[in-house]
Amino acid sequence: EVQLVQSGAEMKKPGESLKISCLGSGYNFHLYWIGWVRQMPGKGLEWMGIIHPGDSETRYSPSFQGHVTFSVDTSIRTAYVQWNSLRASDTAMYYCATQGGSGSIDYWGQGTLVTVSS
Amino acid sequence: DIQMTQSPSSLSASVGDRVTITCRASHDIGNDLAWYQQKPDRAPERLIFGASRIQSALLSRFSGSGSGTDFTLTISSLQPEDFATYYCLQYKTFPRTFGQGTRVDI
Repeated sequence: EVQLVQSGAEMKKPGESLKISCLGSGYNFHLYWIGWVRQMPGKGLEWMGIIHPGDSETRYSPSFQGHVTFSVDTSIRTAYVQWNSLRASDTAMYYCATQGGSGSIDYWGQGTLVTVSS
Repeated sequence: DIQMTQSPSSLSASVGDRVTITCRASHDIGNDLAWYQQKPDRAPERLIFGASRIQSALLSRFSGSGSGTDFTLTISSLQPEDFATYYCLQYKTFPRTFGQGTRVDI
């Protein structure tokens, strides 16, 4: 069974850094892209970008390019998204998700709630 | 970027109703469209991919159609567990883009 398990909720202050994680199991982690999706409170889904665990190739949405960084550690089957300087507007639920062979998002993590407030 | 315009943004329906949601792409995306259902405080779940390929036989009341720029998600007979928000996603090109969502209420 494919599972994506994300790290727990975070509360941070503006300007702080953060790295959240997504642990994949039940499939060949090296083969499938892992994407990140943001959902701000009460709002819709926004595709942030994607990373391939096999070679760390990344594709960022222009809306997120330069503000977040994706990475993977294949030895522990984990993907990450990192912020160096959080803003209040980064307050959101963040989901990781696999991109299957069809090219669409198929499996989702449970989400990580990030709250940024002074 | 390809823009995805979903309509309506919300609708009210009753159990047993037939419900139709549409999604229009700003450029031709072929059949590279998926539909997702999201319930409150839950991660989204895929219903349809390849515009019309259903995720599971258990979801047979859901169907997808369309190609190119115009797509439809239909729920043939709305069930209580179908009250949720639905999103389309184009995966023809990067960046991937979601529609704005359609909230289905009682």
